[in-house]
Amino acid sequence: GQQVMQIPQYQHVQEGEDFTTYCNSSTTLSNIQWYKQRPGGHPVFLIQLVKSGEVKKQKRLTFQFGEAKKNSSLHITATQTTDVGTYFCAGRSNDYKLSFGAGTTVTVRA
Amino acid sequence: NAGVTQTPKFQVLKTGQSMTLQCAQDMNHEYMSWYRQDPGMGLRLIHYSVGAGITDQGEVPNGYNVSRSTTEDFPLRLLSAAPSQTSVYFCASSDSLNTEAFFGQGTRLTVV
Repeated sequence: GQQVMQIPQYQHVQEGEDFTTYCNSSTTLSNIQWYKQRPGGHPVFLIQLVKSGEVKKQKRLTFQFGEAKKNSSLHITATQTTDVGTYFCAGRSNDYKLSFGAGTTVTVRA
Repeated sequence: NAGVTQTPKFQVLKTGQSMTLQCAQDMNHEYMSWYRQDPGMGLRLIHYSVGAGITDQGEVPNGYNVSRSTTEDFPLRLLSAAPSQTSVYFCASSDSLNTEAFFGQGTRLTVV
């Protein structure tokens, strides 16, 4: 079955620094979504990428979808304390299932 | 607008007991799913439904049953609880397979 791998599992960042989390699928995806979960909360949708090579930006967050539609990345610039949480990628393939990666848990040092 | 509502928020069960986790959405979404979240493992799909009367298995369906008699409700039944089912359970819905999923607040289940 489809597997979505996400690295790193943990990211400890100094406030103001940049970081990137990566997502790789064992199969070609029809789309990929990114979610953020604050500690003690539930996943909240951030963005969806559909096209090969697509790049989308949300303020300090940049999302990319690979040319082969099997990988994706989330890059955050100038990390702030509000960025704390776990970021999940979730890939959908042709069998309708949305498969989540294990997530990258981000902590920020002020 | 309530969105996706899960009950209960917390539950402790003894091994062998059965219970139903409730999930209701008021957005008229066709697609609903149940996930469990365990440390370091992300969200794993238990069961999903693409419409009333239609359900299918996800990655980890063993020990769980679902039904979808209405568009709004998608209950998850634990038939005979086991300690391995200790987890946080999330219900999610979306109006199609290519739009965002809305998650409920989660149910934290402990089986002793």
